[in-house]
Amino acid sequence: GAVVSQHPSWVICKSGTSVKIECRSLDFQATTMFWYRQFPKQSLMLMATSNEGSKATYEQGVEKDKFLINHASLTLSTLTVTSAHPEDSSFYICSARDIAGGRNEQFFGPGTRLTVL
Amino acid sequence: AQKVTQAQTEISVVEKEDVTLDCVYETRDTTYYLFWYKQPPSGELVFLIRRNSFDEQNEISGRYSWNFQKSTSSFNFTITASQVVDSAVYFCALSDTTSGTYKYIFGTGTRLKVLA
Repeated sequence: GAVVSQHPSWVICKSGTSVKIECRSLDFQATTMFWYRQFPKQSLMLMATSNEGSKATYEQGVEKDKFLINHASLTLSTLTVTSAHPEDSSFYICSARDIAGGRNEQFFGPGTRLTVL
Repeated sequence: AQKVTQAQTEISVVEKEDVTLDCVYETRDTTYYLFWYKQPPSGELVFLIRRNSFDEQNEISGRYSWNFQKSTSSFNFTITASQVVDSAVYFCALSDTTSGTYKYIFGTGTRLKVLA
């Protein structure tokens, strides 16, 4: 149980285009999902907290208009990188918070590797 | 403010050696959770352990063991008889409970290289 999927697993796009990444909780409902970004040889940095049915909460320094987050259902959150540029190339990881039974822990997706040419 | 420090950037050991990865955390919360994750080259995070602040018992799982000491705010991870497959980046994380979001604060990670 507690599986989180991400799609696509990798994507290559041209500079200036937009890319959408999906994060799904497959066997549980997630009122909260998190989006992280990880540059090579660095740690995971939280970008935003996504709450179902409401606006995402962005961490300081993360551009809201560039990284659009939508959490339309209890099992799906999407991250759209708008007008992507080479510096947006990174590994994007989502997690979903499972609160069932008081577990209250996050389960991580396998990540999406974005390369912007 | 919450913070996790993993002072060891990279460790190299020879197979079968024991190795300890250090993790020191800072928090003002009385209730919090600590985690260890393994990140192999594929990038997918592998959950290793979750510990809440009220449970200071050390834990052993096969070759893995964890030493949680609130007095020193440390949550160290030991691999006994290391194997090449243990080569990965290991992250320690702290769950923030004050904001109610339970977001995780990750340390910078320790890259472990186990040489055959």
